[in-house]
Amino acid sequence: EAGVAQSPRYKIIEKRQSVAFWCNPISGHATLYWYQQILGQGPKLLIQFQNNGVVDDSQLPKDRFSAERLKGVDSTLKIQPAKLEDSAVYLCASSLSPLYGYTFGSGTRLTVV
Amino acid sequence: GDSVTQMEGPVTLSEEAFLTINCTYTATGYPSLFWYVQYPGEGLQLLLKATKADDKGSNKGFEATYRKETTSFHLEKGSVQVSDSAVYFCALSDRDSGYSTLTFGKGTMLLVSP
Repeated sequence: EAGVAQSPRYKIIEKRQSVAFWCNPISGHATLYWYQQILGQGPKLLIQFQNNGVVDDSQLPKDRFSAERLKGVDSTLKIQPAKLEDSAVYLCASSLSPLYGYTFGSGTRLTVV
Repeated sequence: GDSVTQMEGPVTLSEEAFLTINCTYTATGYPSLFWYVQYPGEGLQLLLKATKADDKGSNKGFEATYRKETTSFHLEKGSVQVSDSAVYFCALSDRDSGYSTLTFGKGTMLLVSP
């Protein structure tokens, strides 16, 4: 089966600019996650969707980050305006059921200068 | 809150050496435990998991045993290969999240030389 697709792979922007990331999960996976992985740290959950509804966004910095999952399939994560500390790899993952674990995409590496 | 603590890396080994990467956790309730591996330039892949005390997860020669009494889930492999060089993450999910979200450790880099 096709994996979780993410784009772009790399992005460099200046602080205060905006950026958007895209994720296409595995077909049929109802649950979709966005994680932020800062260099030298483990991934941290930003937001969890179940179909097109938000289940958990408690760690999403809502003053600058937003995410949506239209029609319960693809998802976009946006940062506006970006800060230097947003430099990280943004990982998308999807899951058929938590009992079976997640499938992660390759991630988008964001550098804010 | 939940947390996962892993030994700091990098861990540097010669091929065919024995590997142990320590992982301990703090969680409310009764978590499920996981090891994920991240090869350079790739996303995380599930390596193995255990869902209850004394369970042993195993895959590709790696294994880890869920030890509730010591709140540990140490990763071991009897003979590492150069291709095992990667970053290894210990993680847990717990009842409070419906076992649906993961809390990760900081990761341990493994470097295996020929």
